[in-house]
Order: sequence, then structure tokens, then C-alpha cells
Amino acid sequence: SQQGEEDPQALSIQEGENATMNCSYKTSINNLQWYRQNSGRGLVHLILIRSNEREKHSGRLRVTLDTSKKSSSLLITASRAADTASYFCATPPHAGGTSYGKLTFGQGTILTVHP
Amino acid sequence: GAVVSQHPSRVICKSGTSVKIECRSLDFQATTMFWYRQFPKQSLMLMATSNEGSKATYEQGVEKDKFLINHASLTLSTLTVTSAHPEDSSFYICSATERGYTDTQYFGPGTRLTVL
Repeated sequence: SQQGEEDPQALSIQEGENATMNCSYKTSINNLQWYRQNSGRGLVHLILIRSNEREKHSGRLRVTLDTSKKSSSLLITASRAADTASYFCATPPHAGGTSYGKLTFGQGTILTVHP
Repeated sequence: GAVVSQHPSRVICKSGTSVKIECRSLDFQATTMFWYRQFPKQSLMLMATSNEGSKATYEQGVEKDKFLINHASLTLSTLTVTSAHPEDSSFYICSATERGYTDTQYFGPGTRLTVL
């Protein structure tokens, strides 16, 4: 089964609007990470939220984590055309409280920000 | 800091040939490197985990004889696609974790492989 499923699959907004993407996962986790991928490029690590955290901020990014619902959300405020990319959530395996780096990625949300 | 490079960025080859892709951590020692493949508009699928000085661990369904991985040093891992076929055409991405910091992976820019 897929660990880390996101919705929406695609999101199209105007510059200046906020963009919210959601991620659900199935097993218990130590942390959840969000990555951005520009078309045809590698991934850029955006933010990591640990299982004992509920919310985390980084610049225009706000991530929430609800372990009871096994879900996370990524909010990008005041979006810019340069935010156009695919966004993925990813989770490492939960094994005795230690994460081994191996990540399982969600299907991703394709965000398009129109200028 | 924490830069990972891949070479080549694009490669086109004929069916039946072998292709080697390099993944390097430029400014840190990578105890573990990961190889992913990504089909168009899809997510990343982990192929194998590579630890320096030991054999790679392959995910279920990935042919180890077809996708040879060598992690000869703390800064270099290579993926060789042997006897490539058109269905091997994909975007291959490597990532690396820094010694002592296993939570964050640093990704290379990817290699676009096209097999004719």
C-alpha cells in the first residue's frame, strides 16, 4: 500500500493566493518531510516535522501534523509564480524509534501559480 | 552546503548497451545513498539503498543484476543499467544522507535516460 498519499493531485491558483496541500499516511512515523520538485529536476528538502510536533513554520511555509488522523498539510502563503512545482510528502520507516533515512514518497501535488 | 551532483544529466543509448550514472556528494560524507526512478508525472520509487563499502539493498521487484550499484567511497555511488531496454527509460535520481544526520536526504538533479 502507498505510504503518503496527497491531495489534491493538481492545484492551480493565482499569484498572492495561499496554497494548501494535504498528505495522508498509513503507518506510524518518526517524522514527515515535504519536498519540492521543479519540472525535470531533483528534489529540494523544504521542511521536516517530527511526530511530537503539531506545527512548524519556515518562511512562507507552514506545516501541520495530526498523528491521530495520520495526516499532514503544507500551506504556502502569498504564493509566487516561482512556487510552481510538484510537492511531495515523504516518510521514513518507523523502526524502534530510529529513522534509517529510507523514504517513501506520496504521489505528489502539482502546483501551478499563475502570475 | 550539502550538494549532490549527478552525471550525466541526460543520456541516450541504444537498446542492449549499458549506462553508468554517477552520484557524488560534493561537500559532505554520505554514509548512505539512495537510488530512485521516476516516471513522468509520477512519484519517486525507491530502487535501492547503498551503503559505503557494502552491498546495496534492493527493493522488492528491482533486479539487482540489471541495476548494478557500487558505493566505493563516502562521496561516490554509481548505478549501472545493464543491457538497457526502452522500458528502462526513466528519470533516475540519487540522494544522500550525511553521516550522523539521517533524517534529511539531499537529492541530486537527476539523470534522464532514454533507451532507443
